[in-house]
Amino acid sequence: EIVMTQSPATLSVSPGERATLSCRASQSVSSNLAWYQQKPGQAPRLLIYGASTRATGIPARFSGSGSGTEFTLTISSLQSEDFAVYYCQQYNNWPTFGQGTKVEIK
Amino acid sequence: QITLKESGPTLVKPTQTLTLTCTFSGFSLSTSGVGVGWIRQPPGKALEWLALIYWDDDKRYSPSLKSRLTINKDTSKNQVVLTMTNMDPVDTATYYCAHNTPHYYGSGRGIAWFDPWGQGTLVTVSS
Repeated sequence: EIVMTQSPATLSVSPGERATLSCRASQSVSSNLAWYQQKPGQAPRLLIYGASTRATGIPARFSGSGSGTEFTLTISSLQSEDFAVYYCQQYNNWPTFGQGTKVEIK
Repeated sequence: QITLKESGPTLVKPTQTLTLTCTFSGFSLSTSGVGVGWIRQPPGKALEWLALIYWDDDKRYSPSLKSRLTINKDTSKNQVVLTMTNMDPVDTATYYCAHNTPHYYGSGRGIAWFDPWGQGTLVTVSS
């Protein structure tokens, strides 16, 4: 099993600021990584796949980078609707998810 | 527009078998390159992939739960059914189904990202 570790567990950010979320894989997953956003009471929504490709309809303020074992999701200027929990998922092997990073209002 | 919706019991007793149905629209599971997966999320916890079925009836299971899971499709009804045996209170979770397109590598294929997801259904395991 490929273990995905996200950091930090909670990120406190002011609206308009940049948020940087990290995801580390226990072994290389190449670029086979996706990011999701989940708001309370809602299903996850795909943001990024292939480590850096935005899904349809996702604003340009969301960007993904990395390959191998280290990945980053950056939200360039946080909007009120971006406060949520973010999960990474690798699909190099059978899918596994990170434990999530909660982005909260500072 | 692709939509999916989960249905099934909200409460099951320990040792019982859970049967969940995913009813979808906007695509067909008889079309090449399509899959439907199941993912669950215990309250306040992370996501866990359970199973997936492809258009050609190729079935994939989480190694840790494989002995308890069965996934099937009914193409004529646009449905995917997941059964999980021997339910336990630790299986209490919101269960999601989601659309999946495989990624191809060499001579094989693997499960890729999930998009979109159904709204989820909360299943509680309690006596």
